[in-house]
Amino acid sequence: ETGVTQSPTHLIKTRGQQVTLRCSSQSGHNTVSWYQQALGQGPQFIFQYYREEENGRGNFPPRFSGLQFPNYSSELNVNALELDDSALYLCASSSPGQGRETQYFGPGTRLLVL
Amino acid sequence: GEDVEQSLFLSVREGDSSVINCTYTDSSSTYLYWYKQEPGAGLQLLTYIFSNMDMKQDQRLTVLLNKKDKHLSLRIADTQTGDSAIYFCAETDGGATNKLIFGTGTLLAVQP
Repeated sequence: ETGVTQSPTHLIKTRGQQVTLRCSSQSGHNTVSWYQQALGQGPQFIFQYYREEENGRGNFPPRFSGLQFPNYSSELNVNALELDDSALYLCASSSPGQGRETQYFGPGTRLLVL
Repeated sequence: GEDVEQSLFLSVREGDSSVINCTYTDSSSTYLYWYKQEPGAGLQLLTYIFSNMDMKQDQRLTVLLNKKDKHLSLRIADTQTGDSAIYFCAETDGGATNKLIFGTGTLLAVQP
């Protein structure tokens, strides 16, 4: 069984730029959730995608957007980057509705905004 | 509102037991989780407990759930230096997404 993978592992951007992060879900999982983990904090829910539609969103501005593809992989896009966007971005896959709501996390993408 | 609280730091000697505590607020959580995060890494699922259970044991790990007090604990028996990491407790919000709500994490330092 293939686990959750994310790319790239590290990224450095400057303020105002745009970034795209990628996630491949664990095989058999149709739902991807994205989380932001600032240094020294627990992860915070950004949004979730289920069957290519946004299924719920946390307290993040619209410049955080996403996509899910037919193979259930997903992208997180952040526009107009701010210094506070520097964080570890984690994606997690799951397959709710089948008694398997547990979310399995990828290794994360560490984003630094200068 | 939704909130999960954990103590920030725990130091134990190798071979001792570690107990990491957590309190949560959302009584509608179906599952409660423990995740482990090693330096620079993602989150590794350690174990979870269904909300109608009081206890779950999985090898060296024991999870205790006191639903009345909304208190969750993780006991690690025979703690090893490889157990040094940050441990996060998480509840689900009980909504459509079952989003995870994490505490700030407990740093476990195991002294040889």
